[in-house]
Amino acid sequence: AQSVTQPDIHITVSEGASLELRCNYSYGATPYLFWYVQSPGQGLQLLLKYFSGDTLVQGIKGFEAEFKRSQSSFNLRKPSVHWSDAAEYFCAVGAFGFQKLVFGTGTRLLVSP
Amino acid sequence: DAGVTQSPTHLIKTRGQQVTLRCSPKSGHDTVSWYQQALGQGPQFIFQYYEEEERQRGNFPDRFSGHQFPNYSSELNVNALLLGDSALYLCASSLGRGGINQPQHFGDGTRLSIL
Repeated sequence: AQSVTQPDIHITVSEGASLELRCNYSYGATPYLFWYVQSPGQGLQLLLKYFSGDTLVQGIKGFEAEFKRSQSSFNLRKPSVHWSDAAEYFCAVGAFGFQKLVFGTGTRLLVSP
Repeated sequence: DAGVTQSPTHLIKTRGQQVTLRCSPKSGHDTVSWYQQALGQGPQFIFQYYEEEERQRGNFPDRFSGHQFPNYSSELNVNALLLGDSALYLCASSLGRGGINQPQHFGDGTRLSIL
């Protein structure tokens, strides 16, 4: 069965500092991996996705993520955080042939001035 | 181009009642998935509808049922409401033929509170 672990419940980063959010997945075959962002009271917005090919994927809003099969990880990064990045971030895994997404429990990002 | 729209935005019910939530997919999308997001948790997959049939189902009891209409809009019905059904219910739409390659677009959700 697929599963996703986001070990950090909360992270606080100073504005302008770099960011890395951790995600580990469990899945027997090649995973399809996603990062979504959720602002308060809103739905989920897709930041980026990995299906195959280059293990470093670029997304919207200056985010990128790196797929590391040996570590079963798909960490999200941003070189310089803006106050508007404060939100909840979810990592998700999908299986080939299906559209069901399995989400982690999320990491809440707080941005300090 | 309208995205995924859900109604109502908020809903308050009491235990034992029944509720219907509605979703209109993004223009051009034919597949609708429903997720339940409890407070402080990630979304959990309830089921997915494609071509007016339930194509996949998560680990939810039969009290949760759904429907998809010919215009691809969808309803989520929950019977015999329990306090634990209090959550944000998210609808996501996508193109069915592409499988997981087609990204899912989410609505803003319906906040359901059970008293």
